Amino acid sequence: DVKVTQSSRYLVKRTGEKVFLECVQDMDHENMFWYRQDPGLGLRLIYFSYDVKMKEKGDIPEGYSVSREKKERFSLILESASTNQTSMYLCASSRWTGEAGELFFGEGSRLTVL
Amino acid sequence: QKEVEQDPGPLSVPEGAIVSLNCTYSNSAFQYFMWYRQYSRKGPELLMYTYSSGNKEDGRFTAQVDKSSKYISLFIRDSQPSDSATYLCSSYKLIFGSGTRLLVRP
Repeated sequence: DVKVTQSSRYLVKRTGEKVFLECVQDMDHENMFWYRQDPGLGLRLIYFSYDVKMKEKGDIPEGYSVSREKKERFSLILESASTNQTSMYLCASSRWTGEAGELFFGEGSRLTVL
Repeated sequence: QKEVEQDPGPLSVPEGAIVSLNCTYSNSAFQYFMWYRQYSRKGPELLMYTYSSGNKEDGRFTAQVDKSSKYISLFIRDSQPSDSATYLCSSYKLIFGSGTRLLVRP
């Protein structure tokens, strides 16, 4: 059974803290993604990676960075958390880079920044 | 204009009803269209995908694409309370609609 695992389901952080969200997939997929999901705005792509040590900006990269040191692991970093980063964060992986690839999602990490 | 538009709902229907969920998209170059289902406090899962125009059926679910009007539909026959979820359309895997929340009342 394919699996994308996000390390933390619920986090509460203070403004200015550094936050790490970890994601691991066991499907040997080349591509990994970080989205945030907000009511009324749907899923918005933050960053994606198509290979180890490679990264590409998505639609809303400001305030975020990512790290992919190993194929199976993709981390999202909030260098200095702010209240407007309170959201649900979803990690996904995919085998294909083209248009037809299915995304496999983790269960999400709900981050609250106070 | 967002590339994929979707009515957020919520849509509330009685058990057994036929449900129609709809999206519009703006980029005529899109070829693949996907529907994801997301249960509360879970990540989205792929439900169905279609290529170009036409219909695709899978059990109680039918996905339909009308490229001339840039319209994507998902029909659910004999809806069940277990179908209560948020349904997200996607044209090109990196772009999602905002999701429609569906509630099927027993």
